[in-house]
This record gives sequence, C-alpha cells and structure tokens, in this order.
Amino acid sequence: GAVVSQHPSWVICKSGTSVKIECRSLDFQATTMFWYRQFPKQSLMLMATSNEGSKATYEQGVEKDKFLINHASLTLSTLTVTSAHPEDSSFYICSAVRLAAPSDEQFFGPGTRLTVL
Amino acid sequence: GENVEQHPSTLSVQEGDSAVIKCTYSDSASNYFPWYKQELGKGPQLIIDIRSNVGEKKDQRIAVTLNKTAKHFSLHITETQPEDSAVYFCAASITQAGTALIFGKGTTLSVSS
Repeated sequence: GAVVSQHPSWVICKSGTSVKIECRSLDFQATTMFWYRQFPKQSLMLMATSNEGSKATYEQGVEKDKFLINHASLTLSTLTVTSAHPEDSSFYICSAVRLAAPSDEQFFGPGTRLTVL
Repeated sequence: GENVEQHPSTLSVQEGDSAVIKCTYSDSASNYFPWYKQELGKGPQLIIDIRSNVGEKKDQRIAVTLNKTAKHFSLHITETQPEDSAVYFCAASITQAGTALIFGKGTTLSVSS
C-alpha cells in the first residue's frame, strides 16, 4: 500500500509552452502533498505544500504564478509549469501524506523529468 | 527554519564493509528523522526512520541512531552489497500535519565488489 504515481514520467517541451504534471495517491487519501524540485546531483528542494481544497503554500523564491498547483481531490495534485524555459528543466518529485496516518509519514512519487528545449 | 547538514558527500566502501552517514540538524523542535535511498532517475524510497522518543532503531542491515542533545543522527549500513550503491538522503521535520521534510544534500554511496 501507500503508492504514489506521477504522470508523465518524462516530458520534453519547447520553451514558452506549459506542462502539467500529475501526482496521484493510488491506494490512500492524502490530506497534504508536497512538490519538490531536484537538479542533477543535488538534493530535493521543497517548492510548495499543497492541501486539498485550499491554495498551495509556496516556498520563498518559488514563483506561484509560474508553478501553478491544484489539489482538487484527496488523491490528486497537479503542478503546471507555465511558460517553461530551459532553466526550469529539472526532476520534479511529489510526496503525499496519508490521511489518518502519522502526520509525518510521506510517500514519494517516482518523479517527472522535465526537459525544456 | 530547519537546516540539515549531511556528511560525507561521497563514500566508497568494499563489499562487506560498513558504511556510516551522519547528519546534523538545527531546529531542536524537529522530532522525525527519516532516511531515503534514491537510485538514478527514481524517486526517494524510505529505508528507515526514527522519532525523537528513541535513540536507536534497527532493521536488518540498516540502523539509525539519534542524539537529540547534540542534534545529530546517523545511518549505519552493515555488510554492504553492490546493490546498496545509491544516493542516500537524511531529512528532518516536526511531526505536524502539513510539515514538509527538510533534506540534507545527500551522500553518494559506492559499494565495490
């Protein structure tokens, strides 16, 4: 149990286009989902915290108008990278906190590799 | 806010040797300390975690120790195998709904046979 999926697993797009990444908790309900970004050979950097039915909370330095997060249900959060540029190329990873479980137990998705040409 | 330091950044061991990775944290309110293993191109996988009410936890070849006074915790892998080669991240957080993990910079472990 406690499986988190991401779609797509990888995407290549042209500069200026928008890309949507989905994060789903497959066998549990998630009150909170987190979005991280990871550049090559670096650690995971928290971008935003997504709570179902409310606005996401963004970390300092992350542009909320560029990285749109929608947590429409207890099993789905989406991250849309708007007007993507080459510097947005990165590995995007989500994690989900399971409802009614220890509040600190997070399950990570497999990640989405975004390449912007 | 919380800051997590992790050492070493790279670690090379021979198969069968032990490997130790150390982390320190800054926020004394942190009380949850997980360790993740990440293989190339994949998301992190939880391998072991410890909460502040215990000092040590073991799961087969993996163990974690926590010193709350000194604010550091360590991952110990015994009898290493080539398949243990990966990047390992420590993290810290405060047990509270909606609190994100703060990660260390990672340790690349290479186990040679």
